[in-house]
Amino acid sequence: EDQVTQSPEALRLQEGESSSLNCSYTVSGLRGLFWYRQDPGKGPEFLFTLYSAGEEKEKERLKATLTKKESFLHITAPKPEDSATYLCAVQSGNTPLVFGKGTRLSVIA
Amino acid sequence: GAGVSQSPSNKVTEKGKDVELRCDPISGHTALYWYRQRLGQGLEFLIYFQGNSAPDKSGLPSDRFSAERTGESVSTLTIQRTQQEDSAVYLCASNRRTPGELFFGEGSRLTVL
Repeated sequence: EDQVTQSPEALRLQEGESSSLNCSYTVSGLRGLFWYRQDPGKGPEFLFTLYSAGEEKEKERLKATLTKKESFLHITAPKPEDSATYLCAVQSGNTPLVFGKGTRLSVIA
Repeated sequence: GAGVSQSPSNKVTEKGKDVELRCDPISGHTALYWYRQRLGQGLEFLIYFQGNSAPDKSGLPSDRFSAERTGESVSTLTIQRTQQEDSAVYLCASNRRTPGELFFGEGSRLTVL
């Protein structure tokens, strides 16, 4: 059974204080690892897809990396508007995405 | 439409009543998914439709839950005899191909009193 564990559950950063969110996964055969951002009262918004170990993707202040066991979402010099819940999900075969519980990020000005 | 549309955005019902939640996916997206998100929890898979194939119902928590999809368009999730533990946000998502990123609607927040 595919499993995703995200840590920490919550993270509070000062504006400009860089950090990383972790997504550990167990999957029978990874076809893709996905990162989403979810704002309160909204549906998840797609950020990145990573397909193989060693792959990296960047978007503005966010960079996602992937190893065979985990993925990291690095946030460089965050701003208050980066505050959200960040969700990680994995897919194996043609099965639906399996999501972690997310990391709630708060960036304080 | 430009994105996945869900209705109603909010639904308050009494225990024991039936509810229907609607999802209109992005045009051209053949795959449609329903997920449930309880307060403070991750997304829980419910059901998946892919084109004309039989749906994957493996995530439905009980026989009170059912879903239909008309061709490659609108889907309806029905919850019969609602219980308080059904209170959650029900999210619909669609995509053009599998595997691939999902595009989510804003969700339908269900509260069962």
